[in-house]
Amino acid sequence: KQEVTQIPAALSVPEGENLVLNCSFTDSAIYNLQWFRQDPGKGLTSLLLIQSSQREQTSGRLNASLDKSSGRSTLYIAASQPGDSATYLCAVHTGRRALTFGSGTRLQVQP
Amino acid sequence: GAGVSQSPSNKVTEKGKDVELRCDPISGHTALYWYRQSLGQGLEFLIYFQGNSAPDKSGLPSDRFSAERTGGSVSTLTIQRTQQEDSAVYLCASSFRIAEQETQYFGPGTRLLVL
Repeated sequence: KQEVTQIPAALSVPEGENLVLNCSFTDSAIYNLQWFRQDPGKGLTSLLLIQSSQREQTSGRLNASLDKSSGRSTLYIAASQPGDSATYLCAVHTGRRALTFGSGTRLQVQP
Repeated sequence: GAGVSQSPSNKVTEKGKDVELRCDPISGHTALYWYRQSLGQGLEFLIYFQGNSAPDKSGLPSDRFSAERTGGSVSTLTIQRTQQEDSAVYLCASSFRIAEQETQYFGPGTRLLVL
């Protein structure tokens, strides 16, 4: 059974810092990996999707990498801003037609 | 265009009552998914629809849970004889089709509290 773990569970940083969120998964037979953002009281917003054949994806200040063989992904956020404060969720698609999620990293960026 | 919508946004019910949760996917999306997010836990897959059919119901936690989708659009998730452990946020997502490269778009969720 696929298990997804995210470290750290919570993170507080001052504005402007670069930061890295970690995600690991136990079964490397994945189709893709997605990073989502969840704001309080709202649904999930997809940030980046990395196909299993890809190594990384970039969108603005966000960069996500994927090392499928070792079962790891990182989300790099450059020059963090208070508006980045949210819970970040990592999810893998194992072809079971649904995503397996980690429990998330709660990020607080202090102004 | 409009995103995925869910109703009600919040629901408080008494133990033993039945509840219906509704999901309106993005127009034209053939795939629809239900997830549950319990307090302190990650998102848990419940069921998905390809068109109106649900090939995989193994994620439903008990036979008190059922879901249907009609006309390839709106879906309802029904919980019968609710229990306190059913309290959670129920999230719906849709994608253009069932394919591994497809992004799933999520609704805002329904917060269910069973007293």
